[in-house]
Amino acid sequence: DAGVTQSPTHLIKTRGQQVTLRCSPKSGHDTVSWYQQALGQGPQFIFQYYEEEERQRGNFPDRFSGHQYPNYSSELNVNALLLGDSALYLCASNRGQQFMNTEAFFGQGTRLTVV
Amino acid sequence: AQSVTQLDSHVSVSEGTPVLLRCNYSSSYSPSLFWYVQHPNKGLQLLLKYTSAATLVKGINGFEAEFKKSETSFHLTKPSAHMSDAAEYFCVVSEEPGTGRRALTFGSGTRLQVQP
Repeated sequence: DAGVTQSPTHLIKTRGQQVTLRCSPKSGHDTVSWYQQALGQGPQFIFQYYEEEERQRGNFPDRFSGHQYPNYSSELNVNALLLGDSALYLCASNRGQQFMNTEAFFGQGTRLTVV
Repeated sequence: AQSVTQLDSHVSVSEGTPVLLRCNYSSSYSPSLFWYVQHPNKGLQLLLKYTSAATLVKGINGFEAEFKKSETSFHLTKPSAHMSDAAEYFCVVSEEPGTGRRALTFGSGTRLQVQP
């Protein structure tokens, strides 16, 4: 079992560009969540996808959007990149949407640098 | 709304001595609480979780945490630190009232240093 896999591992983009990050959940998991972890801070929730729909959203602007495919993999898209979007982007997957009975597994993240 | 406060940004201990990482939480409902560990260039790994069963929770690698509702605390402890414990530790809360679904809310993290 490969666990949660994210690609790419590192990415450098220019201000104003658009970026797409990808995530494949752990086998058997159907829910994918995305988090942004700025340097020296804890991860912050961006949004969660379940059954190909965005189910919850954190306090992030509409520049951040996502998608979930029928095979449960997911993409995070960020438009009009700002310097402040530089961060480690983490994908987490779990089975169902409740954390009480299922563990959320995290990928190693994509390090995005905006210059 | 839920929130988590990790009371120490950095903790330094000597190898073989006890570890205490402090966490206070705020929640409108009966929360689920977790501790995650993040080693450099690695993903987050779940150490332990509290989900309204036993208040003393045992996790991996000898870590445990005690849920104290009266103090709204969920401190992480380990009797004897090992060099491999050096990492960033996150206290996390999740509220799930009824069938509601909540994201994980992370604290700001505590960096644990273990001195030889």
